[in-house]
Amino acid sequence: SQTIHQWPATLVQPVGSPLSLECTVEGTSNPNLYWYRQAAGRGLQLLFYSVGIGQISSEVPQNLSASRPQDRQFILSSKKLLLSDSGFYLCAWNRDVNQPQHFGDGTRLSIL
Amino acid sequence: GQQLNQSPQSMFIQEGEDVSMNCTSSSIFNTWLWYKQDPGEGPVLLIALYKAGELTSNGRLTAQFGITRKDSFLNISASIPSDVGIYFCAGRLSRSNDYKLSFGAGTTVTVRA
Repeated sequence: SQTIHQWPATLVQPVGSPLSLECTVEGTSNPNLYWYRQAAGRGLQLLFYSVGIGQISSEVPQNLSASRPQDRQFILSSKKLLLSDSGFYLCAWNRDVNQPQHFGDGTRLSIL
Repeated sequence: GQQLNQSPQSMFIQEGEDVSMNCTSSSIFNTWLWYKQDPGEGPVLLIALYKAGELTSNGRLTAQFGITRKDSFLNISASIPSDVGIYFCAGRLSRSNDYKLSFGAGTTVTVRA
């Protein structure tokens, strides 16, 4: 069966510091991968998606970037965090576009 | 993605009650999904719907894909305390190669004291 892992689960970072959040999927190959941000009490905003190694599509212009260095690894990064980057970050995957997306347990990011 | 209109925004349930929530869109969708999110966790898929008129159950949960393909509803029968959480609808527009899902803002279900 397939599983998705995100880490860390929680992170507290100062403004201006760099960021690296990692997501990996096990039990499948060539998944579509997604990064979402969820503000408190709000729905999910798609940030990036990837259909293959090195292929990244950005949905929202922002202070964040994404990379896919390996088939089942998706990384969310920032060079300098802003206060507005605080939120709950979720990684998701599906096998193809017609299948439901399955989510990881998320990373709670707090910027001080 | 396009914003879905999900209602109600919040609801209070009493154990044993049936509850219902729905999602509407101005565009035609070819997939409707319902997720539940517990505090501090990621959303978990409850039901997936792929055909207009489709009615699918998962235990005490029942969801339907509207005939117009612009709406969906989720019913929870005989609610229990562990049903509390945030329920999200999501849909995929009727276009091939569209990777994006549109999400509703969520329905927060709380137990009535």
